[in-house]
Amino acid sequence: QVTLRESGPALVKPTQTLTLTCTFSGFSLSTTRMSVSWIRQPPGKALEWLALIDWDDDKYYSTSLKTRLTISKDTSKNQVVLTMTNMEPVDTATYYCARIRREYSSSPVDYWGQGTLVTVSS
Amino acid sequence: DIQMTQSPSSLSASVGDRVTITCRASQRISSYLNWYQQKPGKAPRLLIYAASRLQSGVPSRFSGSGSGTYFTLTISSLQLEDFATYYCQQSYNTPQEFTFGGGTKLDIK
Repeated sequence: QVTLRESGPALVKPTQTLTLTCTFSGFSLSTTRMSVSWIRQPPGKALEWLALIDWDDDKYYSTSLKTRLTISKDTSKNQVVLTMTNMEPVDTATYYCARIRREYSSSPVDYWGQGTLVTVSS
Repeated sequence: DIQMTQSPSSLSASVGDRVTITCRASQRISSYLNWYQQKPGKAPRLLIYAASRLQSGVPSRFSGSGSGTYFTLTISSLQLEDFATYYCQQSYNTPQEFTFGGGTKLDIK
């Protein structure tokens, strides 16, 4: 059974750095063509893809946010960590981690975490 | 960057209706296109991948088609549980970047 769970602060202040951890089970990030991604959704708005890390440690970032994002993995702990620097109120959103099946040509997200709401406010 | 445009942004329909949602890419993306369903307060759910392949466990009333820049998601006979928001998502770019459409909210007429 595949599960993913996001953890991190619910509230951060402007200019602070956000660190989110995705802890997963039911699969391994050392398995070929397995990947984990972070996706966010501001309240009442559309989904926005942020970053992805592949089984071979390749990393990809949203063009518009790449200067602020870092994604990393700890395969032994089954965890993926996302850091986002210089947080602003517009970064208030529910942040999801998700599994991506790279063996399918369109790299779909087949499992999602429940999401964690992060509010940016002083 | 590739932009994904969904239409309509909202849609009212009745149980039993046939509904089609469209998604256009700003450049050709072959069949690198997925569809998701999201209900309020819940994470999205994968419906269709590679433009037309039905995800395991998804009812057959959902279908996807298209290639290149124009894609559609069709629900052949709406059920009560289908009222939700639908998103398309592309994964064609090199270097890899995934882009979601703006969403289509489907509600009861």
